[in-house]
Amino acid sequence: EDQVTQSPEALRLQEGESSSLNCSYTVSGLRGLFWYRQDPGKGPEFLFTLYSAGEEKEKERLKATLTKKESFLHITAPKPEDSATYLCAVRLSSNTGKLIFGQGTTLQVKP
Amino acid sequence: DVKVTQSSRYLVKRTGEKVFLECVQDMDHENMFWYRQDPGLGLRLIYFSYDVKMKEKGDIPEGYSVSREKKERFSLILESASTNQTSMYLCASSLRRDKLRAFFGQGTRLTVV
Repeated sequence: EDQVTQSPEALRLQEGESSSLNCSYTVSGLRGLFWYRQDPGKGPEFLFTLYSAGEEKEKERLKATLTKKESFLHITAPKPEDSATYLCAVRLSSNTGKLIFGQGTTLQVKP
Repeated sequence: DVKVTQSSRYLVKRTGEKVFLECVQDMDHENMFWYRQDPGLGLRLIYFSYDVKMKEKGDIPEGYSVSREKKERFSLILESASTNQTSMYLCASSLRRDKLRAFFGQGTRLTVV
């Protein structure tokens, strides 16, 4: 069964304290892994797409990496405005664009 | 700028009512999706459509139907609303070509009382 698992479920950091969020997947064929940010009461906002193992993408304090079985979202020196829920999703090769989502990691960054 | 617009941010409906949630995208995307999001369960796919008048069931289609009469519009219908359909509903769209990301609307918080 295709599955996406994110850990931890919740993460509390002090401002400036770097850390990583994990997204592990077991799918029959990967055609893209996506990271989204979601603020309370809003829809997910796209951050990154990764297509193949070894690929990395960066945006400000965020860096996403991909291996054959998992992806990491590294947050360097986070600020309170980075507080949000981070969602990981995979797009399978066997269908027309359906995404399978993990349950998300809720990040809280305290000043 | 890319835009997916859901007709309502908040809705309160009574048990047994027929409920329509509307979603419009302005990007000429072929694919459109309806998800629901619940605490601890993440986003779950209800239905998706890859072309006008085409639809496919997602993981949790029971109690829902959809309509796609025009490319830009995808409607989710709750035939007879129940309290367990209280949730956040998210619409998304994407191009059919592989590797391209989905864009999400702002969500509709539906409460069934």
